[in-house]
Amino acid sequence: GQQVMQIPQYQHVQEGEDFTTYCNSSTTLSNIQWYKQRPGGHPVFLIQLVKSGEVKKQKRLTFQFGEAKKNSSLHITATQTTDVGTYFCAGQVNKLSFGAGTTVTVRA
Amino acid sequence: SAVISQKPSRDICQRGTSLTIQCQVDSQVTMMFWYRQQPGQSLTLIATANQGSEATYESGFVIDKFPISRPNLTFSTLTVSNMSPEDSSIYLCSVGPFQLAGGSYEQYFGPGTRLTVT
Repeated sequence: GQQVMQIPQYQHVQEGEDFTTYCNSSTTLSNIQWYKQRPGGHPVFLIQLVKSGEVKKQKRLTFQFGEAKKNSSLHITATQTTDVGTYFCAGQVNKLSFGAGTTVTVRA
Repeated sequence: SAVISQKPSRDICQRGTSLTIQCQVDSQVTMMFWYRQQPGQSLTLIATANQGSEATYESGFVIDKFPISRPNLTFSTLTVSNMSPEDSSIYLCSVGPFQLAGGSYEQYFGPGTRLTVT
């Protein structure tokens, strides 16, 4: 069945540094979505990527979709304490399959 | 966009009992989904709640354990039946996709129901 792998599971970042989380699918995806879940909260939609090689930016966040539509990445620059939370990718073929998430903590 | 509410927000239940979780959306939606998120884990799709017909369950989830109702386009319930401690989890209702300006689609999640089974 469809599987979405996400690494790293944990990311401990110094405030101001950059980091990247990666997603890999075993199958070609129709789209990939990214969500952020704050501690104690529910997943909040960030973005959807549909096209091969697509790159989208939201302020300090850069999202990429691979050429083969099987992998994606989220890169955050100049990390702030507000970036704390778990970032999930979710790949869609027929249904959404969520990656394990990258839990981000920030040290000031 | 859509605003989703869930009831109850949390509950502590005894094993062997059942709990019904409600999901209310502020607009009519075609697709409603129920997810489970075990502590510190990712989200797993339980089923798609279909209006006017039986829910579509994912592998590992069955109707007898997780009966779902969808009486209209704004409301759904999920029942967790004959609970055991392994059912302790957060249960989330989700709706979508909603088309955004620019052509992409967005999915929304409710605030979740935190269930503890003792």
